[in-house]
Amino acid sequence: QKEVEQDPGPLSVPEGAIVSLNCTYSNSAFQYFMWYRQYSRKGPELLMYTYSSGNKEDGRFTAQVDKSSKYISLFIRDSQPSDSATYLCAMSGFSGSARQLTFGSGTQLTVLP
Amino acid sequence: EPEVTQTPSHQVTQMGQEVILRCVPISNHLYFYWYRQILGQKVEFLVSFYNNEISEKSEIFDDQFSVERPDGSNFTLKIRSTKLEDSAMYFCASSEDRKEEYFGAGTRLSVL
Repeated sequence: QKEVEQDPGPLSVPEGAIVSLNCTYSNSAFQYFMWYRQYSRKGPELLMYTYSSGNKEDGRFTAQVDKSSKYISLFIRDSQPSDSATYLCAMSGFSGSARQLTFGSGTQLTVLP
Repeated sequence: EPEVTQTPSHQVTQMGQEVILRCVPISNHLYFYWYRQILGQKVEFLVSFYNNEISEKSEIFDDQFSVERPDGSNFTLKIRSTKLEDSAMYFCASSEDRKEEYFGAGTRLSVL
């Protein structure tokens, strides 16, 4: 079983739609959860960071963590064509090798005008 | 806004040659990282560096790889004898507190 699983998509939505992106994980040591956005041939850009179960909102983005189910989500409201990118979930733990970021494979999102 | 900068953006080299990839982390950050992403694959951790020494490294980071912070601003990744399979995007990242990691735009390494 992979440590972090993410549906690669591609996901295509109309402008203004609500987008839901998800990752599941198997390693209970993961305590910190991040969402990155990556445009083609660019570096990952940190969007959201959270370490507790529940929701965290930042503008049009909401990150949700459910540690009991080992499931995290990113919601994008009022999606825009500029949101078209690959979205990566990433996570890390408190100590030892779990400190390094482990990434999902990324979900490719296209928002159509 | 502070950012991680990486040079060069694209490096082409012959198999067996040494390459040095350079990074300037965000100035008040203390933790530094290298990741790589082979085309079409996941971003993979290579190494983390703190207080002038390696704190963690992955199985990928073998004896061909080394890292150095030669001065107060630069952080480098050296590959001693490049192989075809080293072709990838290499990302440098830095963190103030080992939680939020900020990535550079990457160096695309092409080994011919």
